[in-house]
Amino acid sequence: GAGVSQSPSNKVTEKGKDVELRCDPISGHTALYWYRQSLGQGLEFLIYFQGNSAPDKSGLPSDRFSAERTGGSVSTLTIQRTQQEDSAVYLCASSLYGAGPYEQYFGPGTRLTVT
Amino acid sequence: GNSVTQMEGPVTLSEEAFLTINCTYTATGYPSLFWYVQYPGEGLQLLLKATKADDKGSNKGFEATYRKETTSFHLEKGSVQVSDSAVYFCALSDQDTGNQFYFGTGTSLTVIP
Repeated sequence: GAGVSQSPSNKVTEKGKDVELRCDPISGHTALYWYRQSLGQGLEFLIYFQGNSAPDKSGLPSDRFSAERTGGSVSTLTIQRTQQEDSAVYLCASSLYGAGPYEQYFGPGTRLTVT
Repeated sequence: GNSVTQMEGPVTLSEEAFLTINCTYTATGYPSLFWYVQYPGEGLQLLLKATKADDKGSNKGFEATYRKETTSFHLEKGSVQVSDSAVYFCALSDQDTGNQFYFGTGTSLTVIP
């Protein structure tokens, strides 16, 4: 079946512009996660959705970052007024029910470059 | 709180050498433990998992045993191949303390012929 998809795969933007990153999780997965992976670094948790609600927004690095999920499916991560330090690979993952024994399935990521 | 501490890399081994990548964790509940692998140019994928103490996860010749007494989940493989070159991430999730997954910083493995 279809896995997690993300778009765009690459995004180059100028400093100060807004960007939207999209994630399509696996159908039927209730949990959706956003992470950021900087060059040579581990995964930085950004936000978690259970259904359409986001009980854990603790990882969002600033108020320039926001995310929403609609219909318990597609999610959009928005970064306003991008800065060069926002350059990274943004990963989305989905899981059947969230934490516990349920593995996460990762998308291929969106590579964001802020010039 | 919950956290994962993973052996720092990079690790370079010759083909057919024995591999151990150490992973220890801190958790307030009863977590499930995972190893994910990221091959060059690819996304993260699950390598193996264990959901309770003394469980052994295994896949592709890799093994890891959930040791509650030492809070460890070390990854091992008896004979590595060039195709095992990748970055390996240890992770935990704990339903009792929220729905976040906690990842280690990753260990880069290079296997040379």
